[in-house]
Amino acid sequence: DTEVTQTPKHLVMGMTNKKSLKCEQHMGHRAMYWYKQKAKKPPELMFVYSYEKLSINESVPSRFSPECPNSSLLNLHLHALQPEDSALYLCASSQDRGTEQFFGPGTRLTVL
Amino acid sequence: GEDVEQSLFLSVREGDSSVINCTYTDSSSTYLYWYKQEPGAGLQLLTYIFSNMDMKQDQRLTVLLNKKDKHLSLRIADTQTGDSAIYFCAETTGANNLFFGTGTRLTVIP
Repeated sequence: DTEVTQTPKHLVMGMTNKKSLKCEQHMGHRAMYWYKQKAKKPPELMFVYSYEKLSINESVPSRFSPECPNSSLLNLHLHALQPEDSALYLCASSQDRGTEQFFGPGTRLTVL
Repeated sequence: GEDVEQSLFLSVREGDSSVINCTYTDSSSTYLYWYKQEPGAGLQLLTYIFSNMDMKQDQRLTVLLNKKDKHLSLRIADTQTGDSAIYFCAETTGANNLFFGTGTRLTVIP
């Protein structure tokens, strides 16, 4: 298995909802990442997990809460989001920090 | 800080070569990458080059690195309509994070 999967593909939520994005890889990678990508912009790093421990939080608001239950799974819990949080959320994984990253197809999030 | 620049748009005719350029600022970058993103999709890793190399060829793709000028390019030979996409260059920073360029939208005209 050489791919990163993400669910759901699309998500529409209200500002009071709680939802979660899921990411999975079975390549034995020990680093996993969350990125946010707005339209016509490059991806921006949000969180980095290395060996299931959060190693980087790029000043992301607390309404985004990452979780790494095991080495294959990465979740992003969403609560009380704002319309400006609407974006494509991309998950990636790599063998280790600093090696090439492989991306999932993304979750298109719309906050109403 | 990081500042990776690319031209926003490039149009080429089918069968011609495409050259996408990128300038970066972090001289400590160890790897430089090219990713392709089709509409509504994730990023596909196309190729990468280690910072001590000048050139890397992989089938239709040729990467050239001029470390002195901090200039990276991606040449796509015999460009096809399926190559139409946004192409991002990316560098690894000192913290081993990936920092992306602004992206170049390649349009291939049949």
